Amino acid sequence: QKEVEQNSGPLSVPEGAIASLNCTYSDRGSQSFFWYRQYSGKSPELIMSIYSNGDKEDGRFTAQLNKASQYVSLLIRDSQPSDSATYLCAVNIKSSASKIIFGSGTRLSIRP
Amino acid sequence: EAGVTQFPSHSVIEKGQTVTLRCDPISGHDNLYWYRRVMGKEIKFLLHFVKESKQDESGMPNNRFLAERTGGTYSTLKVQPAELEDSGVYFCASSGGRTQYFGPGTRLLVL
Repeated sequence: QKEVEQNSGPLSVPEGAIASLNCTYSDRGSQSFFWYRQYSGKSPELIMSIYSNGDKEDGRFTAQLNKASQYVSLLIRDSQPSDSATYLCAVNIKSSASKIIFGSGTRLSIRP
Repeated sequence: EAGVTQFPSHSVIEKGQTVTLRCDPISGHDNLYWYRRVMGKEIKFLLHFVKESKQDESGMPNNRFLAERTGGTYSTLKVQPAELEDSGVYFCASSGGRTQYFGPGTRLLVL
């Protein structure tokens, strides 16, 4: 079992709709959870971080964490073509600064 | 404020040669990380520096890889001798806390 699992996609969503990206992780001791966006040939760009159960909203993005189910998701409202990218779920086991475990990423395509 | 920078952006070398990658973290960030993404795989952790000390090097593939961070500022990652399977994108990241900021990566191709 992979430590961080994501559906590789591609996930195709019409412009203006809600895109829902999901991620599960295996280590119950995980403390910090991140969503990175990566455009083709570019570096990962942090878009959301979440540390406690529940929802965290930032603009059009909402991260949801459920530690009991070991599940973290990212919702993108009012999807735009510029949101088309690979979204990487990443998990940090310790509460302090330490290595991040990445999922393989979900390719999201927003169709006009 | 400048972000994480990496040099070179691309490197093409022959099997058996040596390559040195450089990373300059965000100023003031004590934590510096190296990651690698090989074709078709997820980004994998290589090692973590806190200032000049190696905090965790559990992800280093083998002893052909040597990372240094003299003085706790920039870091270098040397691959000697390079093998075909070392090809991939090498990312550096830095943090002052829990959030890691990534550099643009060095694309390494070993022929």
